[in-house]
Amino acid sequence: EAGVAQSPRYKIIEKRQSVAFWCNPISGHATLYWYQQILGQGPKLLIQFQNNGVVDDSQLPKDRFSAERLKGVDSTLKIQPAKLEDSAVYLCASSPTSGDTQYFGPGTRLTVL
Amino acid sequence: SQQGEEDPQALSIQEGENATMNCSYKTSINNLQWYRQNSGRGLVHLILIRSNEREKHSGRLRVTLDTSKKSSSLLITASRAADTASYFCATDPFSGNTPLVFGKGTRLSVIA
Repeated sequence: EAGVAQSPRYKIIEKRQSVAFWCNPISGHATLYWYQQILGQGPKLLIQFQNNGVVDDSQLPKDRFSAERLKGVDSTLKIQPAKLEDSAVYLCASSPTSGDTQYFGPGTRLTVL
Repeated sequence: SQQGEEDPQALSIQEGENATMNCSYKTSINNLQWYRQNSGRGLVHLILIRSNEREKHSGRLRVTLDTSKKSSSLLITASRAADTASYFCATDPFSGNTPLVFGKGTRLSVIA
């Protein structure tokens, strides 16, 4: 069974630039999560989708971050414009449904200079 | 704020020894989960223990849960160099459709 795929694996940008991350969850998983993991900390949930609807985006900085999950499969997370404090690993995870075990992708390491 | 807090922050042991990590949390939970993260990788789910369970085993892993003390422990027996990783507890709060909340993790180093 293929795991959660993410791209790119690494991204370096300058502050005020835009960046987008892509996630392909495990086939059949209805729930998709985006987490931000700052160095030395645990993952923090940014947004949770159930199919193509948003379940929780309470910790998403909506002035600069946006995410979508068109057709309830793949998802993209965008940051526009990026700030220095956005440097982190962005993890995508999926689960069969909300509350089930989550399966994580390898993450995208973002460095904002 | 993060619900789970792991202790210790870092742990270094010799191969073959046992490693114990603790997690404390603040509110009532449905379940508590432990994840492992190897350097530069995503998280891997290790074990889930429900609020009505007190102990659970999976291979060399043993997890206990004490809901009266709001704490959990993860024991890795006969550790191997490949167990070197960060270990996170994540709590599934009892209140409504609330997402998992991860702690800051324990960084385990197993020296061969």
